[in-house]
Amino acid sequence: GEDVEQSLFLSVREGDSSVINCTYTDSSSTYLYWYKQEPGAGLQLLTYIFSNMDMKQDQRLTVLLNKKDKHLSLRIADTQTGDSAIYFCAESRRDNYGQNFVFGPGTRLSVLP
Amino acid sequence: DTGVSQDPRHKITKRGQNVTFRCDPISEHNRLYWYRQTLGQGPEFLTYFQNEAQLEKSRLLSDRFSAERPKGSFSTLEIQRTEQGDSAMYLCASSPEAGTDTQYFGPGTRLTVL
Repeated sequence: GEDVEQSLFLSVREGDSSVINCTYTDSSSTYLYWYKQEPGAGLQLLTYIFSNMDMKQDQRLTVLLNKKDKHLSLRIADTQTGDSAIYFCAESRRDNYGQNFVFGPGTRLSVLP
Repeated sequence: DTGVSQDPRHKITKRGQNVTFRCDPISEHNRLYWYRQTLGQGPEFLTYFQNEAQLEKSRLLSDRFSAERPKGSFSTLEIQRTEQGDSAMYLCASSPEAGTDTQYFGPGTRLTVL
C-alpha cells in the first residue's frame, strides 16, 4: 500500500525507554521525520533523518532507520510525563504526481507515573 | 519571528456556506503547505506553494477547495459550499526552500460544519 503505518498506542512507565515504530513504503523517500502533537496544539518537529543515514541521536531521542525493511523507530530515553503526546512519523517522497508528504496515523504515548 | 500563525483558530459554519482561512508562514520561508487533520488521523496533504506558485495539489482535493499565495507571503485556503465532511483541523506549515524539507506547523484552524 501507499500508507505510512504506526501502532496506535503505547504505554510506558516514567523513567523507562519508549520505542515508537513506523513503516513506510517509498524507498525513494529523501527525509523521514518525527513530529510530536500535544492535546490542542500544533505539530512540533522533534527530529529528522536523511535516508542515507541509519542512526541519529539528539539528547534523549534516538532515531534508527532500516532502509532495507523501510522501518523507522524513535526511542525516547528516560521517558517523562511531559512526553505524553501523539507522535507522528512522516516521509518526504516523490511520486508520479510530484512531491508529496505523507504522515502516519500517529502513536499515542501514555506515560504512567 | 513567532512562527507560523493561522487565523481564525476556530470557525463554525453552516453547511453550504463558504469559509476562508489565512496562514502567515515564518518569514523568508519560501514553501507553504496546507494539510487537513481529522480526529485520530495524521495530517493529510492538500497542497503546497513555492513562493507564489502552487506546485502540488493532492489528487484527493475536491474542486470546492482553492488556495492562493498571491505575493509569496501569506496564503488563504477557501472552501466553497461546505459540507459536514469538511469538519476537521486545517493545518498550515512552512519550510525554507533548500535543505531538509523540514516543515514548521502552525496551531491550525478547527472547522466545524453544522
